[in-house]
Amino acid sequence: AQRVTQPEKLLSVFKGAPVELKCNYSYSGSPELFWYVQYSRQRLQLLLRHISRESIKGFTADLNKGETSFHLKKPFAQEEDSAMYYCALSPGNTGKLIFGQGTTLQVKP
Amino acid sequence: GAGVSQSPSNKVTEKGKDVELRCDPISGHTALYWYRQSLGQGLEFLIYFQGNSAPDKSGLPSDRFSAERTGGSVSTLTIQRTQQEDSAVYLCASSKGGSGNTIYFGEGSWLTVV
Repeated sequence: AQRVTQPEKLLSVFKGAPVELKCNYSYSGSPELFWYVQYSRQRLQLLLRHISRESIKGFTADLNKGETSFHLKKPFAQEEDSAMYYCALSPGNTGKLIFGQGTTLQVKP
Repeated sequence: GAGVSQSPSNKVTEKGKDVELRCDPISGHTALYWYRQSLGQGLEFLIYFQGNSAPDKSGLPSDRFSAERTGGSVSTLTIQRTQQEDSAVYLCASSKGGSGNTIYFGEGSWLTVV
């Protein structure tokens, strides 16, 4: 079965603290994984994808095939990082995405 | 247009009525997707179009839901005999098609069934 699990509905941290948003996946093939973000009153947008191995807004995510995880990390959270974060898996070659339930990140001043 | 456009942005309808939701994808994007975002259910895939055909309709929750796309552009999602559990945000997205291409989302259509 193809599934994405984000175990935390809400993650609350103080500004400057490290952040790790957890994502685990279930997929039999080679996965293509993404993190999407939705800021308040804005549309859902791509944050980063694992094949790019890039850092966006200080966030990074490493694919760990052994643990079937793709956790999103940032060493020092900022208030403007407060948003809903979705981990997503793209099976096959259609570009279709299977999303996790989402985690709300709240960064307190 | 500059981005994926959806209409209406908000719709309140009575239980049992039919509703149509419209999506204008980014010009030149051959792939179009419909998702549903609701409390407790996260983001659910509904249907995928490549051009005017829909090779993957696996997410449509019942036969009350249907979608079409014409001219390789605009798509309409129709919900017949709406039920209260249909209340959600319906998101449309488009891309150049295939894997590796960024999917761009619209702002969504908020549907409330009373």
